[in-house]
Amino acid sequence: DTEVTQTPKHLVMGMTNKKSLKCEQHMGHRAMYWYKQKAKKPPELMFVYSYEKLSINESVPSRFSPECPNSSLLNLHLHALQPEDSALYLCASSQDAPGSPPYEQYFGPGTRLTVT
Amino acid sequence: RKEVEQDPGPFNVPEGATVAFNCTYSNSASQSFFWYRQDCRKEPKLLMSVYSSGNEDGRFTAQLNRASQYISLLIRDSKLSDSATYLCVVIGYTGRRALTFGSGTRLQVQP
Repeated sequence: DTEVTQTPKHLVMGMTNKKSLKCEQHMGHRAMYWYKQKAKKPPELMFVYSYEKLSINESVPSRFSPECPNSSLLNLHLHALQPEDSALYLCASSQDAPGSPPYEQYFGPGTRLTVT
Repeated sequence: RKEVEQDPGPFNVPEGATVAFNCTYSNSASQSFFWYRQDCRKEPKLLMSVYSSGNEDGRFTAQLNRASQYISLLIRDSKLSDSATYLCVVIGYTGRRALTFGSGTRLQVQP
């Protein structure tokens, strides 16, 4: 089963709100990712977790705060967002074995976020 | 120069046509290569991995040329359901697991 689930599917929030996006996978993958995708553009990497530790932060503003509570879950906490943060937020997961070539990633359906 | 470059298209082809997409990458240390497809307002879905020896999955054939640093995807006997954006994806090296996406090539198969 190559399924990654994300909730909620849609989210509308004001600039003063605090909300969280959730991602879950049960494929035993030890790497999980957050990407942001604007319309007609490819996904852009935000964060990478490897074995529940943050390994890459692509200079993302602090109003986005990732969290990896365990190997199956990945959260993205949102606070004081701007309208330009409106986008599709995609979670992905992959196998991760140090020293091996990188593996393919599987994406969740995404959360479509609108900041008003 | 972008890390991964693709012709954005759109490619408009009739059903049954054969269509080929190319993609070039700049980092010669790149380790892994993939084609993903993305339908409008949906997530990217893995279409196939790409190997130097070439690989085929039904109507789809992917090829990697490391010397020239390009990747290709050939779709034979196009179906209406093949209409989507095709994303060329490269992973740089083992220490960095994240995907680098090309900007995508839009394919529209017409009846």
